[in-house]
Amino acid sequence: EIVLTQSPATLSLSPGERATLSCRASQSVSISLAWYQQKPGQAPRLLVYDASSRATGIPARFSGSGSGTDFTLTISSLEPEDFAVYYCQQRTNWPLTFGGGTKVEIK
Amino acid sequence: EVQLVETGGVLIQPGGSLRLSCAASGLNVSNSYMSWVRQAPGEGLDWLSVIYSDGSTSYAESVKGRFTISRDRSKNTVFFQMNSLKAEDTAVYYCASFFAAKFFDYWGRGTLVTVSS
Repeated sequence: EIVLTQSPATLSLSPGERATLSCRASQSVSISLAWYQQKPGQAPRLLVYDASSRATGIPARFSGSGSGTDFTLTISSLEPEDFAVYYCQQRTNWPLTFGGGTKVEIK
Repeated sequence: EVQLVETGGVLIQPGGSLRLSCAASGLNVSNSYMSWVRQAPGEGLDWLSVIYSDGSTSYAESVKGRFTISRDRSKNTVFFQMNSLKAEDTAVYYCASFFAAKFFDYWGRGTLVTVSS
């Protein structure tokens, strides 16, 4: 099973700041990695797939990068609605796995 | 617009059985790959099962042999039969569209299953 390790667990930032979230895979997943945003009481929302492709309707301030084992989700300038939990997910190998999440909180 | 609506979550005793439903609109469950993902209280996301367009299925080890995914074409609905429920099955259960068998592009709002005596 491929383990996805997300860091940091919590990121405390102010609106307007840049957020950099990391997802590291225990073995290569090529570019088969997705990122999701989840707000309290809501379902996850797809942000990025294939490591760097933004999903439909996702603002340009969200960008994904990386390949192999190291991936990054960057939010260029945090908006108030971006404070949430973010998960990465791989499907290179079964079983499909998610990372443990990074909470982006208001400083 | 794609909508997925899960129903069927309840408070149930350990050892009991439950069937969740996921009614879809805006997509055809028979032509799509559909999955169930759960989230225990305060925890992360946990993939459970997928049903492919050809009807084949796959399960996480944690639920294999206890849970069964199926679909009804006439109702455009996906089901999740859960047997021999345990306290650790307590979670919000989400139905999601599994695009290209790679990532989840549409999610329902989830239904809460609580397993407790």
